[in-house]
Amino acid sequence: DAMVIQNPRYQVTQFGKPVTLSCSQTLNHNVMYWYQQKSSQAPKLLFHYYDKDFNNEADTPDNFQSRRPNTSFCFLDIRSPGLGDAAMYLCATSSQLGTMGASTYGYTFGSGTRLTVV
Amino acid sequence: LAKTTQPISMDSYEGQEVNITCSHNNIATNDYITWYQQFPSQGPRFIIQGYKTKVTNEVASLFIPADRKSSTLSLPRVSLSDTAVYYCLVGTFHGGATNKLIFGTGTLLAVQP
Repeated sequence: DAMVIQNPRYQVTQFGKPVTLSCSQTLNHNVMYWYQQKSSQAPKLLFHYYDKDFNNEADTPDNFQSRRPNTSFCFLDIRSPGLGDAAMYLCATSSQLGTMGASTYGYTFGSGTRLTVV
Repeated sequence: LAKTTQPISMDSYEGQEVNITCSHNNIATNDYITWYQQFPSQGPRFIIQGYKTKVTNEVASLFIPADRKSSTLSLPRVSLSDTAVYYCLVGTFHGGATNKLIFGTGTLLAVQP
């Protein structure tokens, strides 16, 4: 089945040690998103790729970076994780057309990576 | 992007119909209304989307009045497995780099036996 896969499911990293989370998709969707979700909060959009174009949210800290080497893969890099970065990180994809009025509601989320910072 | 307001939490019992209402007073002409469901430690899952009137699928119905300033997600005969957080989102889903989902607070639905 076509899907969005996040690895690893659980990640423990040390304070200040760079960590990379990965996301892959078999849907051939052109847009990929990274969300951060802290306990009992709603997912918060960090950034997204529209094809190869990177779009950062204004309040996303510089500590968070992303790479998208091809359509199928997208990575979230946290350069120096702090205790406050402990959260569930969700990857999502969607297929968006270039024409006005085309509606696509099929955001597909992965199961997430739960990051613990020690 | 239109802001949404939902109840923080709701309680229900198995077999009952549950209606969760979402307010979106500043919804734009091109905006669609979409609902997602999220279980603990999982990503959100698409439930239903609509633009106006009523939409029904195999899991839920979505009622949207003529002014579109609110919407109601209806879950028929809930079971314990419907316990989850339900998010109402409003946005324009057409091509462009600005197309993105911004989540509101969501409604935690707790279904009791």
